[in-house]
Amino acid sequence: AQSVTQPDIHITVSEGASLELRCNYSYGATPYLFWYVQSPGQGLQLLLKYFSGDTLVQGIKGFEAEFKRSQSSFNLRKPSVHWSDAAEYFCAVAPSNTGKLIFGQGTTLQVKP
Amino acid sequence: EAGVAQSPRYKIIEKRQSVAFWCNPISGHATLYWYQQILGQGPKLLIQFQNNGVVDDSQLPKDRFSAERLKGVDSTLKIQPAKLEDSAVYLCASSLEGRWGFNEKLFFGSGTQLSVL
Repeated sequence: AQSVTQPDIHITVSEGASLELRCNYSYGATPYLFWYVQSPGQGLQLLLKYFSGDTLVQGIKGFEAEFKRSQSSFNLRKPSVHWSDAAEYFCAVAPSNTGKLIFGQGTTLQVKP
Repeated sequence: EAGVAQSPRYKIIEKRQSVAFWCNPISGHATLYWYQQILGQGPKLLIQFQNNGVVDDSQLPKDRFSAERLKGVDSTLKIQPAKLEDSAVYLCASSLEGRWGFNEKLFFGSGTQLSVL
């Protein structure tokens, strides 16, 4: 069965520091992978997605993620975090023949001034 | 472009009562999803509609939850009777085709926050 694990429930970084959020997936075939962000009271916003091709994908707000098949990982990175990046981040995997998403449990990002 | 509309924004009920949520997807989107997001967890798919037919309801607790999408447009999700563990945010989402491809995008509504006391 497909599943997603986000090992870090809560991460705190200082503003301006770099960020890496971890995501591991379990899926039999080449997965479609996504990162979403959810701010308090807001809907889910897509940051980036990986379907195929270049394993380093660029997203909105300066985020990027790297697909590593050998490690079954799709970690999200940002070189310099801003206070407005404080939010909940979800990694998700999608079976390619459907439109649904299977989400991880999320990582809460706190940004210290 | 108008987004996915959901109402109400908040709902507080007592256990064993019934409740209904409404969703209006983006115009022209064939696929509609209901997700349940319990506090501290990621969203979990409850049901997926393609037009007015059900594609996947494998995780819908059918003894108490029901959903319909009349005329293939807007949708309602009902819980009867509600339990304490149903407290969650119920998210509606829609997409054009319901099958992932480079041009497929999933749009989420802001959700309905349900508290069962």
